[in-house]
Amino acid sequence: QKEVEQNSGPLSVPEGAIASLNCTYSDRVSQSFFWYRQYSGKSPELIMSIYSNGDKEDGRFTAQLNKASQYVSLLIRDSQPSDSATYLCAVNVANDYKLSFGAGTTVTVRA
Amino acid sequence: DAMVIQNPRYQVTQFGKPVTLSCSQTLNHNVMYWYQQKSSQAPKLLFHYYDKDFNNEADTPDNFQSRRPNTSFCFLDIRSPGLGDAAMYLCATSRVSGQGIYNEQFFGPGTRLTVL
Repeated sequence: QKEVEQNSGPLSVPEGAIASLNCTYSDRVSQSFFWYRQYSGKSPELIMSIYSNGDKEDGRFTAQLNKASQYVSLLIRDSQPSDSATYLCAVNVANDYKLSFGAGTTVTVRA
Repeated sequence: DAMVIQNPRYQVTQFGKPVTLSCSQTLNHNVMYWYQQKSSQAPKLLFHYYDKDFNNEADTPDNFQSRRPNTSFCFLDIRSPGLGDAAMYLCATSRVSGQGIYNEQFFGPGTRLTVL
């Protein structure tokens, strides 16, 4: 079982819609969770961090964490063409500061 | 602005010819990481420095080495690049203290390595 798994995508959504991205992780002791956005040919950019169960909102982005279900999600509201990118889920592993990354979900926002 | 800088942005080398990639940071972070990322794959951690302490991942080939001469700089040396080493190489930094689990990693722009 992979440490971090993401829905494979690609995910295509119309402009203005909500994009929903999912991520599950295998290590029950994980305590920090991150979402990175990566445009094609570019490096990952941190967009959200979440450490406690529940929702965390930042602009059009909402991260949701459920440690009991070992599940973290990212919602992108009012999706824009500029949101078209690959979104990487990252989780700390083994109660350590190192991160394990998912393979990413590619989102395409249709104008 | 505080940032992570990588040079060069694009590197072309010949099969077997040593290459060095560099990373510098103005964030004053104590941990520096090197990742390899191939197309449509997750970043793969090669190794990292926690302050001056080098930490190698178990599956990182011996062909890859690293140096951190000071807090701000870190280098990735590929001693004999093979065709399979063509990838994006990403440097990241974080500030880790105490238990160190609530750390965010910040990436540089990456170096795209082509092996001919």
